[in-house]
Parts: sequence; structure tokens; C-alpha cells
Amino acid sequence: EIVLTQSPGTLSLSPGERATLSCRASQSVSNSYLAWYQQTPGQAPRLLIYAASSRATGIPDRFSGSGSGTDFTLTISRLEPEDFAVYYCQQYGSSPRLTFGGGTKVEIK
Amino acid sequence: QITLKESGPTLVKPTQTLTLTCTFSGFSLTSSGVGVAWIRQPPGKALEWLALIYWDDDKRYSPSLKSRLTITKDTSKNQVVLTMTNMDPVDTATYYCAHRGWFGELLPWGQGTLVIVSS
Repeated sequence: EIVLTQSPGTLSLSPGERATLSCRASQSVSNSYLAWYQQTPGQAPRLLIYAASSRATGIPDRFSGSGSGTDFTLTISRLEPEDFAVYYCQQYGSSPRLTFGGGTKVEIK
Repeated sequence: QITLKESGPTLVKPTQTLTLTCTFSGFSLTSSGVGVAWIRQPPGKALEWLALIYWDDDKRYSPSLKSRLTITKDTSKNQVVLTMTNMDPVDTATYYCAHRGWFGELLPWGQGTLVIVSS
């Protein structure tokens, strides 16, 4: 079974800074079917990136995804106040078909 | 426009069976490639995938919960139903359903429904 490990657990940054979030898989993610979500308190997750590097509709271009195989990265080029949230990666396809990472909290320093 | 909405009891007792319904619009679960997933999130914790059903009635479950879960669909009502047996307080969570996209992404999500397990 594939396990997704996100790091760091918490990222303390200031608005305007660059955020780099990591998602590492215990085995290769099939077809790079790796997605990233943003979640703010009380809200459902919001899709940011799918297929490792494609931005979802309406997502600002300061969000970018990269990676393949077992190592994936979400980058926020310049943090806006609304970007302070929890971020999850998710894989699809490899057993057990769908898995989430444990999340990275991006907090204001 | 695709929308999904979860419904079900807010409070269940330990050992009871939970039944949740996801009512959707904007797509058909008879169309090739379509899938609907259930995900849950305990308070303050991470997302956990539970189950997935496809247009062809293929069903997949989280290995850790497989023995307790059943997912079904009613295409005439545009609904997906999840049942979870033998509920425990650790199953207290917000339960979401979501449409599965072509690359395995989940979009959109329902608003979620909070289920509390307590005697």
C-alpha cells in the first residue's frame, strides 16, 4: 500500500515569502496522478493542482506543482494572507487506489 | 455545474450502523469513467479516504475499514450511499463526498456532514 508523507508538518513564514511543501510517496505514483488541496478552517478542501503540475480552474499562478515518481512539491511563490492554511497531497491509482498525506500547515510567522 | 451534498444523522450511538447519502447533480453515474468518493476528517486531523464507486459499479475501499464499509449507488436518484457498521467514538468526523476527476483528483467536494458518535 502506498503511503504519502508530507513535510514539514508546519511551515512558519511571512506574507510575501516563498513556501515549498513536499509530498513523498512510499512507491511510485502511477501516471503522476498526484493532487494538492488547500483547506481552511470549517471549509471543505479546495483542489489546487492535479496530475502533479496542472493548476485547477481559477487557481492563481503563484501556486505550482512539480515532481514525478515518488517526490512531489507544491510551491507558493509569494504567500498572500489567504494562503495560510493546511495543504494535503493525494494520490490516485496505486493501491489502495486513493491516499492522502498527513498535511502541512502553513502558518504566519 | 457539478454539486454534491451529504446527508445523514448528526449523532449515532456506539455499535450502531451509520448510513450517509450523497446526492449529486451535474453529472451521471452511468457515464463512462465517472466515480464518487467518500472521505472523512476527524476534528483537527487529516483527511482519510474511505470508499470509491465507479460508473460500472466497481467498488474500492480503504483496507483499514473495508470490513465495515459498503458503498452503493442509485442512478435513478443520483445518489451514492455509504454505510459504516459498528460505529465507535473514534469515527466522529466530518464526512465528505466528492466527484472523481479524470486524473484521480477530487473536484468538487460536498460541504461535509459532521457525525458524532456518542452514547
